[in-house]
Amino acid sequence: DAEITQSPRHKITETGRQVTLACHQTWNHNNMFWYRQDLGHGLRLIHYSYGVQDTNKGEVSDGYSVSRSNTEDLPLTLESAASSQTSVYFCASSESSGGDTDTQYFGPGTRLTVL
Amino acid sequence: AQSVTQPDIHITVSEGASLELRCNYSYGATPYLFWYVQSPGQGLQLLLKYFSGDTLVQGIKGFEAEFKRSQSSFNLRKPSVHWSDAAEYFCAVGAKYSSASKIIFGSGTRLSIRP
Repeated sequence: DAEITQSPRHKITETGRQVTLACHQTWNHNNMFWYRQDLGHGLRLIHYSYGVQDTNKGEVSDGYSVSRSNTEDLPLTLESAASSQTSVYFCASSESSGGDTDTQYFGPGTRLTVL
Repeated sequence: AQSVTQPDIHITVSEGASLELRCNYSYGATPYLFWYVQSPGQGLQLLLKYFSGDTLVQGIKGFEAEFKRSQSSFNLRKPSVHWSDAAEYFCAVGAKYSSASKIIFGSGTRLSIRP
């Protein structure tokens, strides 16, 4: 069955380190998204991509970057981790072409702790 | 401005009782509406969605939601809750012909079930 996976599921790192969170989907979806989830804030969009070589900033993109070299993967990099980036990170994907609104399917999440 | 409001942060209902979770939105276009459920430590799972047509939408796990344009609401209902329904529920709003990145998530309602 098609799915979307994230790794690692849990990560503890130190302030200032570079961290990369992986997201892999086998839906063959065009669109991929990264969100962070914090108590009282729901989900906030970090970055998104509508296809290979396409990346865009979301609402809370400072300190994060993504790259899309193939359809299946959208890794999220924290350039220099900060304590404020302690959060749960979710990757999602959707099928529509042209980045039109469509149902998003979510991965299981990565819990990141920055000490 | 576009927004989604889930007025109830936490609701407790008895097992077997009926449930209604509220969602109100403000969106300047024909809305696409979603309800997701998040069990502890898990990702978001789509319960149901409304894009067009019948305003009463049936979803998985016995849930339904009704789109009321005049009230800008999309409330989630279940006639008889089970202990396994304890989770966090998120309402989300996008728009037809809008960018997939413009989906907005509410801050969530945590549902507890009283035995």
